[in-house]
Amino acid sequence: DTGVSQDPRHKITKRGQNVTFRCDPISEHNRLYWYRQTLGQGPEFLTYFQNEAQLEKSRLLSDRFSAERPKGSFSTLEIQRTEQGDSAMYLCASSLGLAGEYYNEQFFGPGTRLTVL
Amino acid sequence: QKEVEQNSGPLSVPEGAIASLNCTYSDRGSQSFFWYRQYSGKSPELIMSIYSNGDKEDGRFTAQLNKASQYVSLLIRDSQPSDSATYLCAVNTGANSKLTFGKGITLSVRP
Repeated sequence: DTGVSQDPRHKITKRGQNVTFRCDPISEHNRLYWYRQTLGQGPEFLTYFQNEAQLEKSRLLSDRFSAERPKGSFSTLEIQRTEQGDSAMYLCASSLGLAGEYYNEQFFGPGTRLTVL
Repeated sequence: QKEVEQNSGPLSVPEGAIASLNCTYSDRGSQSFFWYRQYSGKSPELIMSIYSNGDKEDGRFTAQLNKASQYVSLLIRDSQPSDSATYLCAVNTGANSKLTFGKGITLSVRP
């Protein structure tokens, strides 16, 4: 399977705990995005990497959230001191983007569903 | 605030009918437009992309774009029960290509 993969698929944690999610993009894709989706809403952008550089972070992303993409391959999203409001589906997407081009299509992984008790 | 609106839902059509899904966006600088299908409990799946004014057809799906009216639509011909899902409109406005999504329209195709 050469699609985007995410791990774990489900995570249940207690309020105040830290959690980390992993995303493996499609192998030749240089761009990687994290989104968050809550019930009845469309995905909301969290952050974006081009290769290993984190180029944009949403204002939605509090300082409890951090993301990395070492070596421009897989990415991790960590949430520290989780809150019940963090419960959502965390989606990773990747694309092959060229400078100045708007045409790149993003392909999503299966998501990680986080439940904070 | 760049917005994408999908207000016409939920939508129910009989099997074999044409389903018409609409989307408007606020940022005139938007360059590319996408439709994703999302089944309950699953992640979004890209089904159509469109970049120029006019129609783009792919099988039973036709995407329509009118940049002057800031309007994009998706037509599904010969609707099947398997088309029952939430359809998300997404718009890309910036050089970083992040997507802004609408809330989605839930389509139900009655056998």
